[in-house]
Amino acid sequence: AQRVTQPEKLLSVFKGAPVELKCNYSYSGSPELFWYVQYSRQRLQLLLRHISRESIKGFTADLNKGETSFHLKKPFAQEEDSAMYYCALSGRDSNYQLIWGAGTKLIIKP
Amino acid sequence: GAGVSQSPRYKVAKRGQDVALRCDPISGHVSLFWYQQALGQGPEFLTYFQNEAQLDKSGLPSDRFFAERPEGSVSTLKIQRTQQEDSAVYLCASSLAGGKNGYTFGSGTRLTVV
Repeated sequence: AQRVTQPEKLLSVFKGAPVELKCNYSYSGSPELFWYVQYSRQRLQLLLRHISRESIKGFTADLNKGETSFHLKKPFAQEEDSAMYYCALSGRDSNYQLIWGAGTKLIIKP
Repeated sequence: GAGVSQSPRYKVAKRGQDVALRCDPISGHVSLFWYQQALGQGPEFLTYFQNEAQLDKSGLPSDRFFAERPEGSVSTLKIQRTQQEDSAVYLCASSLAGGKNGYTFGSGTRLTVV
């Protein structure tokens, strides 16, 4: 079954500390993985896609097929990073539907 | 328009009442999606349109839920005889084609059934 797991509901780190938001997935084929972010009082927005291999706002995520993970990382957290982060998966056999994790609330303490 | 617009932002309905939620996607976006997000959960897929065609409605939880997009632009999600378990945020998203490259989301409609 297709599934996305974000084991941490809440993650709290100090400003300047490294951040890692965990995402594990279950999918039998070759998935496409995404991170979406929702800042307070704002709508969900795409942060990054694994196929782009990009760094957005200092965040990166590497797809590890062996561990079936797509963890989101940032070396030095900033207060404006505080938000809800969702990991999502799309399979090649489903060119539209995303399967979502339950989300992790990231709080950056000053 | 500049973004995906949803209305109303908030809706309180009495149990048994019918509701209609509107989504105005970005102009020219072929694909339109509805998701349901319960408190503390990630979004759950409801249905998908490509232009006016509803290609997938497998996520609609019951036959009380109905969605349409008659002219391939604005979409309406209708819930008949609302129940308390329908309370959630209903998200609409659109994209140029499919969803593989990411969606643009609306702000959502928060439905509370009392």
